[in-house]
Amino acid sequence: AQKVTQAQTEISVVEKEDVTLDCVYETRDTTYYLFWYKQPPSGELVFLIRRNSFDEQNEISGRYSWNFQKSTSSFNFTITASQVVDSAVYFCALSEANTGNQFYFGTGTSLTVIP
Amino acid sequence: DTAVSQTPKYLVTQMGNDKSIKCEQNLGHDTMYWYKQDSKKFLKIMFSYNNKELIINETVPNRFSPKSPDKAHLNLHINSLELGDSAVYFCASSQDARTGDGNTGELFFGEGSRLTVL
Repeated sequence: AQKVTQAQTEISVVEKEDVTLDCVYETRDTTYYLFWYKQPPSGELVFLIRRNSFDEQNEISGRYSWNFQKSTSSFNFTITASQVVDSAVYFCALSEANTGNQFYFGTGTSLTVIP
Repeated sequence: DTAVSQTPKYLVTQMGNDKSIKCEQNLGHDTMYWYKQDSKKFLKIMFSYNNKELIINETVPNRFSPKSPDKAHLNLHINSLELGDSAVYFCASSQDARTGDGNTGELFFGEGSRLTVL
């Protein structure tokens, strides 16, 4: 079973639109960590955020915001006023405390921001 | 200073050859990984080492052999290369998020090594 599901394979938006990337996870652990990574066309994998299971506060960083909801096992990522530089593949990932350093990645969402 | 560095960045070789990719991290992390990213961008864990000991060994052909001479290095050796081995290979490191010493536990990735088998 897929532990991290990113149902949106590809999304296209016009510049300045807001866009939300969905991430649904599955775990039986009470302690776990959620992450988002960005992979721009240049290919490197860039860490964006980490959330632990005890901290359900939403986070905002500039145009980026994350909505963590344990009730729906979701950790969605919203980009406000999207820009062309936001075009990338975005990966959601889960790490469980019981399995130590095992990271489970979603299949990624490819975001294209059209100028 | 590059946190996780891997070499070479590009590798083009013929089927049947043997090749190695090297990885080094200067973050003092305990755990290192190799991931394979195929043309569809799927990131698949191959191996993970914690303090030089193998802790994750996913279903990978035994032509792939990781070697960790110390906890700062994790090299990947591939024997008898096949066309299907063409991919981008990422090395990564992390500190266990449970150590409670302020490390965030996220994966730090190298820049990737693009392997093309002809």
